[in-house]
Amino acid sequence: NAGVTQTPKFQVLKTGQSMTLQCAQDMNHNSMYWYRQDPGMGLRLIYYSASEGTTDKGEVPNGYNVSRLNKREFSLRLESAAPSQTSVYFCASSRTGYEQYFGPGTRLTVT
Amino acid sequence: AQTVTQSQPEMSVQEAETVTLSCTYDTSESDYYLFWYKQPPSRQMILVIRQEAYKQQNATENRFSVNFQKAAKSFSLKISDSQLGDAAMYFCAYRSAYGGTSYGKLTFGQGTILTVHP
Repeated sequence: NAGVTQTPKFQVLKTGQSMTLQCAQDMNHNSMYWYRQDPGMGLRLIYYSASEGTTDKGEVPNGYNVSRLNKREFSLRLESAAPSQTSVYFCASSRTGYEQYFGPGTRLTVT
Repeated sequence: AQTVTQSQPEMSVQEAETVTLSCTYDTSESDYYLFWYKQPPSRQMILVIRQEAYKQQNATENRFSVNFQKAAKSFSLKISDSQLGDAAMYFCAYRSAYGGTSYGKLTFGQGTILTVHP
């Protein structure tokens, strides 16, 4: 039982490049989330998926897209990376209405 | 929209002593959940404790307990008998108990860095 897994753990991009962050959970949770963590600002919600087949914007969605591929997987895509997207990205999952379990995070640097 | 504020960027405590981390929140809702998460240097977010707003009794998990003051919108975390392994960033978080578009989403405070001195 791996919980929530994220790949990659670290990534360096140049401005304008694209990439996809992968997230998977094996707890049969309905809901999945993407957060970013910046110094002094806590975690902020980018996008979430309340159930398979649905996605909604969170607090800071600009510059990102998501795909809920199936119940297990929820990916986050940066189409044209910007230095402002340098951050640590966390994926989380939960049963509907219950506490969230987090992945180990991805440290992304955009130069 | 709900907001969560942690006014202590950093706190320190001696090993075996007690420390309290503060959290206040703003909401117009009457039913919600509050959480404390711990983030050690490994970056992993670990749930420490949760509190349901409809419960008057303060939650307790071993050495961790909360002081939930609903009218004051205050939710502090007390760590008793502090251990070196408690050193981490601690986040307070809010989640609505109602349905709709905000259901299930967490709103986090800015975090408090806790240092434990041997």
